[in-house]
Amino acid sequence: SQQGEEDPQALSIQEGENATMNCSYKTSINNLQWYRQNSGRGLVHLILIRSNEREKHSGRLRVTLDTSKKSSSLLITASRAADTASYFCATGRYNTDKLIFGTGTRLQVFP
Amino acid sequence: SAVISQKPSRDICQRGTSLTIQCQVDSQVTMMFWYRQQPGQSLTLIATANQGSEATYESGFVIDKFPISRPNLTFSTLTVSNMSPEDSSIYLCSASGGTQDEKLFFGSGTQLSVL
Repeated sequence: SQQGEEDPQALSIQEGENATMNCSYKTSINNLQWYRQNSGRGLVHLILIRSNEREKHSGRLRVTLDTSKKSSSLLITASRAADTASYFCATGRYNTDKLIFGTGTRLQVFP
Repeated sequence: SAVISQKPSRDICQRGTSLTIQCQVDSQVTMMFWYRQQPGQSLTLIATANQGSEATYESGFVIDKFPISRPNLTFSTLTVSNMSPEDSSIYLCSASGGTQDEKLFFGSGTQLSVL
């Protein structure tokens, strides 16, 4: 399978703590994206990082990409109960618009 | 950005029947995709819905089981045919603006249960 792997599978933290999720993938990529899914419904795009970028920020989100290790991490700082959701990485390859999704991390933030 | 309306939001169906899921985008989009998400699992791409031509299916998915239509740049349907309990999943429609806009927008999903 070309699917990426994420770890941890599940993460529980207290409000105010930081949450870090990791994603590993198998093939060369054009970009890597992170999505959020609440309660098994539609996904929402969070952030995109291109293969020639190493780090990107958006609000409380920080994404890193290491193409030599084929891995990425998503850091959510100062987490809130509303951040409780599943988070998926997805890889985009050259010459195709398809995205391949990772296995996901279920984040639970306790108030 | 694009807003995607997907219906039905959920359905309970009998074994052997078929269900058609509709996906409407509020603007013209280049690419539309259909994903399946089994309970507690990640998303698996079923096919790319091509406007005016046959869909492109991923390994393990065939047209006879999952016929797809895309008559224009804003609308697509996915049919789940001759259903069995193994087809119980969430089916998600998504769209992108094409290679200049790689991020995907998603519908809210169709939760299908087959008895």
